[in-house]
Amino acid sequence: DIQMTQSPSSLSASVGDRVTITCRASQDISNYLAWFQQKPGKAPKSLISAASSLQSGVPSKFSGSGSGTDFTLTISSLQPEDFATYYCQQYNVYPPTFGQGTKVEIK
Amino acid sequence: EVQLLESGGGLVQPGGSLRLSCAASGFTFSSYAMNWVRQAPGKGLEWVSAISGSDGITHYADSVKGRFTISRDNSKKTLYLEMNSLRAEDTAVYYCVKDRSAWYFEYYFESWGQGTLVTFSS
Repeated sequence: DIQMTQSPSSLSASVGDRVTITCRASQDISNYLAWFQQKPGKAPKSLISAASSLQSGVPSKFSGSGSGTDFTLTISSLQPEDFATYYCQQYNVYPPTFGQGTKVEIK
Repeated sequence: EVQLLESGGGLVQPGGSLRLSCAASGFTFSSYAMNWVRQAPGKGLEWVSAISGSDGITHYADSVKGRFTISRDNSKKTLYLEMNSLRAEDTAVYYCVKDRSAWYFEYYFESWGQGTLVTFSS
């Protein structure tokens, strides 16, 4: 199975900060990389597919980049509603696998 | 609007069985592959199983193969997960998840239900 490794596992940031989360795949997955946001007690919400394509309705403060094995999710200006856990997931190779998550907390 | 509503979770004993259901609406259910994804308390996400839209092809994670069975009733727009020989490590919230693409397994998890909790009694 492809291992997905996110860094950092957690981070503290202030409202207005620019935040970057990294996701690394154990082998080349082209651009078959998705990002999800999960708030406590809620289901994950899809943000980005194909490494950089925003889902409909997702604000443009979210952006994704990368291909091959290295990917990033950037939040351009952190707002209170963005404090959550973020997961990457590869869907290039069966079985689909997730990163361990990055918890974004308020500083 | 896509809606997925899971039910059937609860308290079970090790070795026990449980059947989860997911009622779908807002899309042509029979056209899309469907999945179960689980999340142990305080842990990350783990894909569990998938089923094709109309020809019954199924896939399972190694951790549940031989114990869990995914099925669907397209006339009732309902997805199921039959879980047998349950273990403590199966404790999790189980999410019903719609694949994005019609007619094949893309494994891009576009829409999620609210989840149903499976826990173990000691």
